[in-house]
Amino acid sequence: QSVLTQPPSVSGAPGQRVTISCTGSSSNIGAGYDIHWYRQLPGTAPKLLIYGNTNRPSGVADRFSGSKSGTSASLAITGLQAEDEADYYCQSYDTSLGGWVFGGGTKLTVL
Amino acid sequence: EVQLVESGGGLVQPGGSLRLSCVASGFPFSTYVMNWVRQAPGKGLEWVSYISTSGDTIYYADSVKGRFTISRDSAKNSLILQMNSLTDEDTAVYYCARMVSVGPISKRQFDYWGQGTLVTVSP
Repeated sequence: QSVLTQPPSVSGAPGQRVTISCTGSSSNIGAGYDIHWYRQLPGTAPKLLIYGNTNRPSGVADRFSGSKSGTSASLAITGLQAEDEADYYCQSYDTSLGGWVFGGGTKLTVL
Repeated sequence: EVQLVESGGGLVQPGGSLRLSCVASGFPFSTYVMNWVRQAPGKGLEWVSYISTSGDTIYYADSVKGRFTISRDSAKNSLILQMNSLTDEDTAVYYCARMVSVGPISKRQFDYWGQGTLVTVSP
C-alpha cells in the first residue's frame, strides 16, 4: 500500500479535462513537502511532468497543470489527446519514513 | 543531452547478489545527487536509495537497508548499487534517477531517469 493514494484509473474522451488526485498525510504533503508528477508511457521510464507542485519543465505542454492544498494534490490534463494514455505518478518526501515516496499510480485511458 | 544507462541486471537465485551500474553523460555528474528507484512488474515506483554528490550522505528505504549498498565513482561518471541477500520481492526494473541539485533535498524531484535494468530473483 502506497503512502500517497491515487485512483487506480481515470478516463476521458479526446478534448476533455481529467484530474488525478494524490492524497497524503501530515508527514508528507501536509508537512509542506512539494509534490511532483511523472508520466510513464508503456514500456518506458518515468518522465518528469510537474515539479514543485505547479511548475512545468521545459517542453511540457501547458495542458498539464498541478495544484496542492492541505494534504492533497491534483494533476489536471485539459484537451485530452490519445498520446496522453499513460500511467501517472505523484511523488513527495515523507518525514516519518525518512525518504521519498510515490503514489501507487493512475492509469489514464483516453476513450 | 543527459543520458543515464543502467546495466548489470539479470536472473539471480534467492539469497544471491547482483551489482548494478549506471553510467551518466551529458552533465557534470559530480555535482548531482543520484538515486535508485525500482518498479516491480505491474506495480508502482519505489524509491530505493540516495547518495549525495560527495558520497558521504546515503539513505536507504527500509525494505533494502542492510542488504543494498549505493556508491558512486565520479572519475567514471558511474553510480553503483550492490545488492545482497536478494529475495523475490526485489524482482523489479531498477532505474537510475538524477535528482535536481537545488533546494532542500526533501523538496527535490527526479529530473532524469535511465531506461532501467531488470532484476529477476527466482530459483
